[in-house]
Amino acid sequence: GESVGLHLPTLSVQEGDNSIINCAYSNSASDYFIWYKQESGKGPQFIIDIRSNMDKRQGQRVTVLLNKTVKHLSLQIAATQPGDSAVYFCAETPYSGNTPLVFGKGTRLSVIA
Amino acid sequence: DGGITQSPKYLFRKEGQNVTLSCEQNLNHDAMYWYRQDPGQGLRLIYYSQIVNDFQKGDIAEGYSVSREKKESFPLTVTSAQKNPTAFYLCASKAGGGPLHFGNGTRLTVT
Repeated sequence: GESVGLHLPTLSVQEGDNSIINCAYSNSASDYFIWYKQESGKGPQFIIDIRSNMDKRQGQRVTVLLNKTVKHLSLQIAATQPGDSAVYFCAETPYSGNTPLVFGKGTRLSVIA
Repeated sequence: DGGITQSPKYLFRKEGQNVTLSCEQNLNHDAMYWYRQDPGQGLRLIYYSQIVNDFQKGDIAEGYSVSREKKESFPLTVTSAQKNPTAFYLCASKAGGGPLHFGNGTRLTVT
């Protein structure tokens, strides 16, 4: 597969445990945030998004938390499974149509069976 | 099925040659983007286009060129002026204020 994320921070979790992946952003004008999952050799896949008028949003087994005061975003994955092993990226943008997203460097999640 | 198609998946070129990477979408999205991905550096924006016949430089446009003659297509040319062209190239599109939808990338190796 692709050698994506050779030097990325790595989070190792036991199968069945919950995972928390963190992301700090710098642009206080950002008001739309997205989490992506990237498996080896593939493009990033959308997981969940949140707008700045919310501080929490839940999906299937995933929750995104937004703390605008400290410019911090987190992704929580419940009951982590081997299929969750991937690199996770946060992305941000001011909500203005097609303004390009700015991506964080990513975190590699490794699930131990 | 709707989606973004990048071809080829792997591409090999000799140094000094220009090469064009294909990106086609059938999602009817107005905006299309090209990102470059290197190990440990996340995704960096090369070029983007918000509408047909218009495009803007991203953060690392030097050594690259694009065209947007059709809504569905946004090819990227990696020119011989690009000093470190070996990378994983990702094309994406989006509609309005929603998330980006990515293709599965082209791995370009220049020797």
